[in-house]
Amino acid sequence: AQKITQTQPGMFVQEKEAVTLDCTYDTSDQSYGLFWYKQPSSGEMIFLIYQGSYDEQNATEGRYSLNFQKARKSANLVISASQLGDSAMYFCAMREGRARAGGYQKVTFGTGTKLQVIP
Amino acid sequence: DAGVIQSPRHEVTEMGQEVTLRCKPISGHDYLFWYRQTMMRGLELLIYFNNNVPIDDSGMPEDRFSAKMPNASFSTLKIQPSEPRDSAVYFCASSLQGRNYGYTFGSGTRLTVV
Repeated sequence: AQKITQTQPGMFVQEKEAVTLDCTYDTSDQSYGLFWYKQPSSGEMIFLIYQGSYDEQNATEGRYSLNFQKARKSANLVISASQLGDSAMYFCAMREGRARAGGYQKVTFGTGTKLQVIP
Repeated sequence: DAGVIQSPRHEVTEMGQEVTLRCKPISGHDYLFWYRQTMMRGLELLIYFNNNVPIDDSGMPEDRFSAKMPNASFSTLKIQPSEPRDSAVYFCASSLQGRNYGYTFGSGTRLTVV
């Protein structure tokens, strides 16, 4: 079974509108972390936002927020007020297990969603 | 902070040749990861190190692949002999232990084996 599922291969959004990129995950661990990364056409991977499994509040970083629904095992990324520079691939990722010194740090990535922002 | 530095940015080599990819992690980071990205398989973790010690190499596809981290500021990924199916973008990433630290990725090495 896939640990991270991103069901939207591609999305379009009008500039200045909000967009939600879907991500569901599968784990039996109680402690885990969820990440979103952005990969523009230039190829670099950029860390956007993190949500811990025990965090009660949804994570926010500027125009990015993570809609965390633990019971549904979903961690959707919401981008508000889309900009042309937001056009990129977006990857959801999960680290299973507790983060600790020397601890297991393997992160599994989804297949990505290609977002295109239309002027 | 210069970020994670990978070299070379692009590598074109002939099948059968040895290829060495290099990575300098962010100073102070205690984890280093090697990932491979292809259209077919997405991002795959090949191996990761903690404090220079390999922790999990279960993603290394074959014995043709090897990785070393002789010190905290340098790591190599070697493919010997290279094959066309090794063509991919290879990313190095580093991180600090901690709950909410995302990886910092290098710019990647685009490898083409002809």
